[in-house]
Amino acid sequence: KNEVEQSPQNLTAQEGEFITINCSYSVGISALHWLQQHPGGGIVSLFMLSSGKKKHGRLIATINIQEKHSSLHITASHPRDSAVYICAVYGGATNKLIFGTGTLLAVQP
Amino acid sequence: KAGVTQTPRYLIKTRGQQVTLSCSPISGHRSVSWYQQTPGQGLQFLFEYFSETQRNKGNFPGRFSGRQFSNSRSEMNVSTLELGDSALYLCASSLGASGDWETQYFGPGTRLLVL
Repeated sequence: KNEVEQSPQNLTAQEGEFITINCSYSVGISALHWLQQHPGGGIVSLFMLSSGKKKHGRLIATINIQEKHSSLHITASHPRDSAVYICAVYGGATNKLIFGTGTLLAVQP
Repeated sequence: KAGVTQTPRYLIKTRGQQVTLSCSPISGHRSVSWYQQTPGQGLQFLFEYFSETQRNKGNFPGRFSGRQFSNSRSEMNVSTLELGDSALYLCASSLGASGDWETQYFGPGTRLLVL
């Protein structure tokens, strides 16, 4: 079993829909990151979380440390949101950095 | 501020050769991390350099090495290339002062093809 699991692996949505991507992990962490990768490879760091909730524009990220679970929400989705979203956890004391396999999101107009 | 730059962007090598990739971080950033991305394994952490010292290391063989210069620019080297080394190699920079994995600013990557 992977130490970081993302779901779903693939997601197709219609423009305007509310989208949720989930990340579950089995290791102790000091921080969790959400990354966005567009076709062509460029990666952008969206959020770094150690507790609670963060919001940036139409994107919201939450984390529940006790349940070892994080969600990334996109409100009013747009075709330009189409990308791979990757969850990554940092183990802190272990200095271990583990990536999820990513969620491929396609938002259709 | 200029972003993270990587050179070259594309590279073709043959098995057994070695390759050196270069990364220039954002001005003021002292940490540079390297990652390998393949369709089969996804993103994997190679190593991180801070103030010219390797601070963290992933689970890659010794054929993968790196260094950082006094101006924070970094290079990674892969010796005795194997077909499985074909990948997108990404570097990312951060301020690095905390020692934790801070918000990373990624470069565009170097796509390496080993024939």
